[in-house]
Amino acid sequence: ETGVTQSPTHLIKTRGQQVTLRCSSQSGHNTVSWYQQALGQGPQFIFQYYREEENGRGNFPPRFSGLQFPNYSSELNVNALELDDSALYLCASSRGVGTDTQYFGPGTRLTVL
Amino acid sequence: AQSVSQHNHHVILSEAASLELGCNYSYGGTVNLFWYVQYPGQHLQLLLKYFSGDPLVKGIKGFEAEFIKSKFSFNLRKPSVQWSDTAEYFCAVNAQVANNLFFGTGTRLTVIP
Repeated sequence: ETGVTQSPTHLIKTRGQQVTLRCSSQSGHNTVSWYQQALGQGPQFIFQYYREEENGRGNFPPRFSGLQFPNYSSELNVNALELDDSALYLCASSRGVGTDTQYFGPGTRLTVL
Repeated sequence: AQSVSQHNHHVILSEAASLELGCNYSYGGTVNLFWYVQYPGQHLQLLLKYFSGDPLVKGIKGFEAEFIKSKFSFNLRKPSVQWSDTAEYFCAVNAQVANNLFFGTGTRLTVIP
């Protein structure tokens, strides 16, 4: 166990809807990164939050957005869901940016119908 | 752009056999290197990491990896696998000036008792 928690565990939505996924970082960690893991693939970086500011973004459209709160927990929001958004969404926390090791949560499985 | 290649998609071994999983990356600068493991039904866990120093790093559960800078490789090894090593293994790279991990597509290891 890493101390990183995510909710909900599973989620089913329909195309066009909006979804919010939540992540609580490990104690002492101020950085949260979000990844999308499609079936049979490695995780792909969505974005990272450091001290409540976005600190880097991968190749994902603007309908993927996020927040980080003062307690360093984080949300991932996805608007206008598409079928291809079906994936495991992983949150990882670390003590800082750059060289710090990222510790992953169990993920949220999103299915878009 | 950074990329990570894992050449073996699925490896099947008998217990006590030796394991070597290949990982090559492309990036011209200084990198940190990681191996993560995902056991069935569990979240991604850090197996080992290389930041600097001795290129041969030892991780948990008897795993080790060797960083060969001239070959841009970071292969994972274990002298004698066990049934409990059955899992998906991901190699990941993080450029030291960046903040996100690039993952390979993963190698599924099946160990037959």
